[in-house]
Amino acid sequence: DQQVKQNSPSLSVQEGRISILNCDYTNSMFDYFLWYKKYPAEGPTFLISISSIKDKNEDGRFTVFLNKSAKHLSLHIVPSQPGDSAVYFCAASDRRKLVFGQGTRLTINP
Amino acid sequence: GAVVSQHPSWVICKSGTSVKIECRSLDFQATTMFWYRQFPKQSLMLMATSNEGSKATYEQGVEKDKFLINHASLTLSTLTVTSAHPEDSSFYICSARGPPGGGTDTQYFGPGTRLTVL
Repeated sequence: DQQVKQNSPSLSVQEGRISILNCDYTNSMFDYFLWYKKYPAEGPTFLISISSIKDKNEDGRFTVFLNKSAKHLSLHIVPSQPGDSAVYFCAASDRRKLVFGQGTRLTINP
Repeated sequence: GAVVSQHPSWVICKSGTSVKIECRSLDFQATTMFWYRQFPKQSLMLMATSNEGSKATYEQGVEKDKFLINHASLTLSTLTVTSAHPEDSSFYICSARGPPGGGTDTQYFGPGTRLTVL
């Protein structure tokens, strides 16, 4: 039962362009959503989060959008930089725990 | 701020031995810590929730007698893999629920521990 899904296992974007990573969820009890960035053999690094009472949160180059009716969130990175190449996980919270998606490997090409 | 450390970063042990992994919140107090496991090319799977001063809450399918969790202080949780076997080889990651102001359910992760059981 995959409550949080990232349907794109990989994404390749040219440096300077926008990267859009998508995430869908099924549990309507989730009310807080997060994006993490992860390198191999390291722990995830917190990027940005959004509460279910908002539809957008921005922090520098990172913007997260939440569409509650569609149970969909996305992470926009603009402009994309080579250092953004990593695996990105979305996570959803039901106040007890986080449930993670499978991750999307983002590659930024020079 | 919100730094979480883990020790050791990697460990190799013989089958049948026990291994202890420490997770520390360095610059904030964490009443709740979490232990995850990640298999290659897979997502993070929550194993258990560790609450300071009380018993850990284990997820379905996780053997509490095999994965012993102790959260003795507001900055330290330990995971002990008892009688480790090769199938326990994995990447173990801890996290701590962040300090107030960082988002109610934001978790900050340690760097992970690679366990290899021979």
